[in-house]
Amino acid sequence: EVQLVESGGSLVQPGGSLRLSCAASGFTFRSYEMNWVRQAPGKGLEWVSYISGSGRTIYHADSVRGRFTISRDNAKNSLYLQMNSLGADDTAVYYCATYNSSWYVFDYWGQGTLVTVSS
Amino acid sequence: DIQLTQSPSFLSASVGDRVTITCRASQGISSYLAWYQQKPGKAPKLLIYAASTLQSGVPSRFSGSGSGTDFTLTISSLQPEDFATYYCQHLSSYPPGTFGQGTKVEIK
Repeated sequence: EVQLVESGGSLVQPGGSLRLSCAASGFTFRSYEMNWVRQAPGKGLEWVSYISGSGRTIYHADSVRGRFTISRDNAKNSLYLQMNSLGADDTAVYYCATYNSSWYVFDYWGQGTLVTVSS
Repeated sequence: DIQLTQSPSFLSASVGDRVTITCRASQGISSYLAWYQQKPGKAPKLLIYAASTLQSGVPSRFSGSGSGTDFTLTISSLQPEDFATYYCQHLSSYPPGTFGQGTKVEIK
C-alpha cells in the first residue's frame, strides 16, 4: 500500500525557516517524480515544487522560487521542502504527492502538514 | 501559463440529482486533465485522469469528458458521500500542474 506521511509543520514567525519531510513507503520511491502542493486556509490547491526521481530536475512555483528548495533522499525514501523567508502568505497545509508520468496526474497524496506563519 | 476556470464555484444539490461541473482551459490541453475530490480536512483524491478515465475504485456514477479547452465532470446520481469540493488540474505543460479554483457541492 502506498503511503506518504508529511511532518515538520508548525507555527513559525515571519522571516523564519522550516523544513518539511515526506516519508514514502509501499512503492519504489526513486522511480517516482514527486511534488509539494499547498492549500491556504479556505482556499484552493496550489502547486509548489517538483523534483524528478533522480533529483536532478527541480522546478518551483514563482511564488516560492528563491525561498523554497525541494530535495529528496532516495536511500531514505524521503522528500523534503526547505522553506526560508516565510511570510503570512505561506500559511497553508502542505501535501506531498506522487506524479504518475504515464497518466499525467498526481495519483497519491499524503495527509498534509500545517504550516502557520504568524508572530 | 495555462489557466483553468471551473464553473460553478458553488452548487447546491439533492441526493439523487445529476450534477455537472465544467472546467475551461485558457488554451488547448488535449486530454491532459484530471479531476480530484476533496473532503474537509482530507487530502485530494484522484477521481479521473486523461479527461475521461476513471481511477480504480472510483464509483461509476462519476464520469469525465472533453478535450481541447472544455471539460466536464458528471455525477449521475449524487450520493451523500459525494458532497465535497472538486478540482480540475491540467498537466499538459507540467510543471506546473495548475488547478482550477474548485467547485463546492453542498446539500440542498
